Amino acid sequence: AQTVTQSQPEMSVQEAETVTLSCTYDTSENNYYLFWYKQPPSRQMILVIRQEAYKQQNATENRFSVNFQKAAKSFSLKISDSQLGDTAMYFCAFMRVAGNLIFGKGTKLSVKP
Amino acid sequence: GAVVSQHPSWVICKSGTSVKIECRSLDFQATTMFWYRQFPKQSLMLMATSNEGSKATYEQGVEKDKFLINHASLTLSTLTVTSAHPEDSSFYICSYASFAGGPSDNEQFFGPGTRLTVL
Repeated sequence: AQTVTQSQPEMSVQEAETVTLSCTYDTSENNYYLFWYKQPPSRQMILVIRQEAYKQQNATENRFSVNFQKAAKSFSLKISDSQLGDTAMYFCAFMRVAGNLIFGKGTKLSVKP
Repeated sequence: GAVVSQHPSWVICKSGTSVKIECRSLDFQATTMFWYRQFPKQSLMLMATSNEGSKATYEQGVEKDKFLINHASLTLSTLTVTSAHPEDSSFYICSYASFAGGPSDNEQFFGPGTRLTVL
């Protein structure tokens, strides 16, 4: 069975600085998708970035980028130039063949002014 | 991305009553959707996978007779919590999945969630 592990329950970063959130996963599948979702206090799930496992190039979306290490089954999220609006819960997720997501336990990120 | 709505956004009910939560895809049709549950300060846990026109598939430990799912059309799925009890109090989130190809393929679009409180 697939599992997703986020080992950092909480993190904080100063505004404008860079922070990296860790995620590891376990699967026997070769083709899959990985995601980072943001859940602000409103609790609406917002897609931050996604990575197709068959792509070697790391995905980037503006200030957000990932370090995808397939062999190590690692998928970390780097947030550059952190902003106050980045304060939220961040969930790493693995998409199964069936299409549903398996989520990690989340990392609570606080951006401090 | 696609827009998904949920209704109601929050509901309070008495123990023993049933509550229906609606999930609508507003701008695309989806054959598959998912229902998740999120307890306070915890992650999302999949409850069931709903396929239009067929029975839902429930995850282990989720009682299908208690959590009734109906996916009657490509744009509407409902979750009914029957004979609700305080331990059913949680945040329920639906999502539609796109597998039809295109830039949003293999992406899930989440509803805003429904907070259920059972007294």
